[in-house]
Amino acid sequence: GAGVSQSPSNKVTEKGKDVELRCDPISGHTALYWYRQSLGQGLEFLIYFQGNSAPDKSGLPSDRFSAERTGGSVSTLTIQRTQQEDSAVYLCASSYSSSHEQYFGPGTRLTVT
Amino acid sequence: GENVEQHPSTLSVQEGDSAVIKCTYSDSASNYFPWYKQELGKGPQLIIDIRSNVGEKKDQRIAVTLNKTAKHFSLHITETQPEDSAVYFCAASKGAAGNKLTFGGGTRVLVKP
Repeated sequence: GAGVSQSPSNKVTEKGKDVELRCDPISGHTALYWYRQSLGQGLEFLIYFQGNSAPDKSGLPSDRFSAERTGGSVSTLTIQRTQQEDSAVYLCASSYSSSHEQYFGPGTRLTVT
Repeated sequence: GENVEQHPSTLSVQEGDSAVIKCTYSDSASNYFPWYKQELGKGPQLIIDIRSNVGEKKDQRIAVTLNKTAKHFSLHITETQPEDSAVYFCAASKGAAGNKLTFGGGTRVLVKP
């Protein structure tokens, strides 16, 4: 079946601009996660949604980062006033529930110039 | 919080030989340990996982062992093939805490034909 999809696959933006990254999880998966993969920090957790519960935002690096999940499906990660250190691959993962395996999408490569 | 260390950072093996990657974790409450394979330009792909109530798990040429007392777990790949060349990540999580993953730094494996 269809896996996790993310768009765009690549995004180049100027410093100070806002960006939105989209994630479509596997159908029926109630849990959705955002991670960031960068050369200096490796793979790091950003935020987690489970059903209708309040999201776990403990990994967001600053208040410029926010995410929402509409209708329990699609999620959007928004970065405001982008900085060069935001350049990374942003990965989305979903799982059937919070106690099941996570499946990753292909990621969005963000470059801030 | 949880800290996961992964060794070695790079591993070069001859086709047909075995490869072993080791990880240690710091939080004794962690109970779920997946391994991911990441090929260039793609998202991480789950290849095997183990939960803390099991000491070893095998799937064809891949096996994972877990030592809860020592807080370390290992990935074993036997009869390596060129298509095993990739970056491998170990991770740990506390399932009840929402399953957010803490990743090791990754191991770049090169299988030489």
